[in-house]
Amino acid sequence: QKEVEQNSGPLSVPEGAIASLNCTYSDRGSQSFFWYRQYSGKSPELIMFIYSNGDKEDGRFTAQLNKASQYVSLLIRDSQPSDSATYLCAATRGAGTALIFGKGTTLSVSS
Amino acid sequence: DGGITQSPKYLFRKEGQNVTLSCEQNLNHDAMYWYRQDPGQGLRLIYYSQIVNDFQKGDIAEGYSVSREKKESFPLTVTSAQKNPTAFYLCASSSGTGGYEQYFGPGTRLTVT
Repeated sequence: QKEVEQNSGPLSVPEGAIASLNCTYSDRGSQSFFWYRQYSGKSPELIMFIYSNGDKEDGRFTAQLNKASQYVSLLIRDSQPSDSATYLCAATRGAGTALIFGKGTTLSVSS
Repeated sequence: DGGITQSPKYLFRKEGQNVTLSCEQNLNHDAMYWYRQDPGQGLRLIYYSQIVNDFQKGDIAEGYSVSREKKESFPLTVTSAQKNPTAFYLCASSSGTGGYEQYFGPGTRLTVT
């Protein structure tokens, strides 16, 4: 069974700090990786995707991918209370388009 | 506005009844997906379709059925055979070619009593 694993948290950080969210995946054939943010009662919102090894930055967000270690991470700089949400990590099933999701990490940013 | 719509937002049914959840997109995406989310859980794939008139089972297809007669529409029927149908149902779409990013609709919260 292919899996994506995340620490459920909660991860608590003070406002202005860096939040680091991590994810591992079991399918070595996975090609693409995604981070979604989900507020309570709402649908997931795509915030980052990464296809190649290394770092990808978009504003306050940086996604990191290490295919050799089967590890994906998301860094949120200058964390804001509005970043408080559940963050879902997802990976493609092999080379296909369907995704496998982790159960999510809850982030709490205190002001 | 381009996007994905799901209706209704909340749905209540009695046990033993079939119910159909609507999903429409105007993003011109080829691929569409249905997921189920239970409290404290991640998303589990029910069915997906990469092209009109074709669809594949996901991890938890038992008790569900779908159709894909039009590119824009991918309705999900929750049948009476589904043992625990109460959940948050999410529809998503992706371009299907060259871009695997999935975008979600607002979801339908189904309660069966």
